[in-house]
Amino acid sequence: GAVVSQHPSRVICKSGTSVKIECRSLDFQATTMFWYRQFPKQSLMLMATSNEGSKATYEQGVEKDKFLINHASLTLSTLTVTSAHPEDSSFYICSVPRDSSYEQYFGPGTRLTVT
Amino acid sequence: DQQVKQNSPSLSVQEGRISILNCDYTNSMFDYFLWYKKYPAEGPTFLISISSIKDKNEDGRFTVFLNKSAKHLSLHIVPSQPGDSAVYFCAAREYGNKLVFGAGTILRVKS
Repeated sequence: GAVVSQHPSRVICKSGTSVKIECRSLDFQATTMFWYRQFPKQSLMLMATSNEGSKATYEQGVEKDKFLINHASLTLSTLTVTSAHPEDSSFYICSVPRDSSYEQYFGPGTRLTVT
Repeated sequence: DQQVKQNSPSLSVQEGRISILNCDYTNSMFDYFLWYKKYPAEGPTFLISISSIKDKNEDGRFTVFLNKSAKHLSLHIVPSQPGDSAVYFCAAREYGNKLVFGAGTILRVKS
């Protein structure tokens, strides 16, 4: 069964609005979660590391005020795309690393389309 | 600057034959390398991995080879099956458990 879930799987929103994407770890607690985005026919690019109980760590070039991350509990991280623009349209995927392991379990992803 | 490169965007193989997917990297500090399989509109699923201190890891039909001196790894799938058709991503682990991904290779296995 799924180890990581994401909600919603698909969302369409208007330019200027905000969208929240949830990532849940179903099988184990996660002090860290990762958020990626994938453009068509391109690789997964790490956006930020979500840390339970502290601020997220953003990768270079990612606007922290635009992509708000909240690690609300040991099983839930949310990514909010604020004031969305068409160029934010992408496939957003979260992952949960296993403790003491290099493996990461990925969620099914969320397709965001901004019109 | 891409630290992990998959130079073949696609590969087509006949069912039953071997599929070889290649990956090159530049950062010698990577300590683990992983292969993920991905279907459209789904998240990647873990396939197989190899530690940087090993040169081979085998799991059923999947074998990963690592050549550290050449900074090159490859995934061998034998025999290939139509269900193996997907996008395969090579990833390398750096500090903080972060993964750096290659651009992916589309594998098509023809029956």
